[in-house]
Amino acid sequence: DAGVTQSPTHLIKTRGQQVTLRCSPKSGHDTVSWYQQALGQGPQFIFQYYEEEERQRGNFPDRFSGHQFPNYSSELNVNALLLGDSALYLCASSLLVTGKNEQFFGPGTRLTVL
Amino acid sequence: SQQGEEDPQALSIQEGENATMNCSYKTSINNLQWYRQNSGRGLVHLILIRSNEREKHSGRLRVTLDTSKKSSSLLITASRAADTASYFCATDETQGAQKLVFGQGTRLTINP
Repeated sequence: DAGVTQSPTHLIKTRGQQVTLRCSPKSGHDTVSWYQQALGQGPQFIFQYYEEEERQRGNFPDRFSGHQFPNYSSELNVNALLLGDSALYLCASSLLVTGKNEQFFGPGTRLTVL
Repeated sequence: SQQGEEDPQALSIQEGENATMNCSYKTSINNLQWYRQNSGRGLVHLILIRSNEREKHSGRLRVTLDTSKKSSSLLITASRAADTASYFCATDETQGAQKLVFGQGTRLTINP
């Protein structure tokens, strides 16, 4: 039973560039959420996708966008990168119908913006 | 904004001792979940407790929930060096709203 996978593991970009992070949910899950975790902080919710639509969004600017594909995998895109976007980006998956909102996380992508 | 607040921020104990971490939150919740994170890696799901439950066990873990005080505790018994990690509580505020709100975590160090 495959868990949540994310790619790439690490990424280094420069200010102003664009980045795409990828996530495959746990087998059987249909909902994907993205979180940003700055060093020494707890994860902050970015947005959630279900049935290929953004279902809920946190307090992040429009530079952060996403997509969910028919196979439930998801991408997080960040445009016009800022130094402050350096963080660990975590993807979590869950199964909506259970109503339990039990979210399982991937290993994360460490993004460094120079 | 952070809903959960873990206490203490850091905890250092000897191997074999019990570790207790606390979490407080501000609004009514649907569920409360505890996660472990090793050295900036992904979060490992430990346990979920529903708002109508008061206590739950999983192996060496015991979680309690007091909705009247808006608080939860995580007890790790017979600690091991491998338990060294950061521990986070996460809440979701209402049924159907699946956003998880995390605290800043407790950094647990188990000394051999």
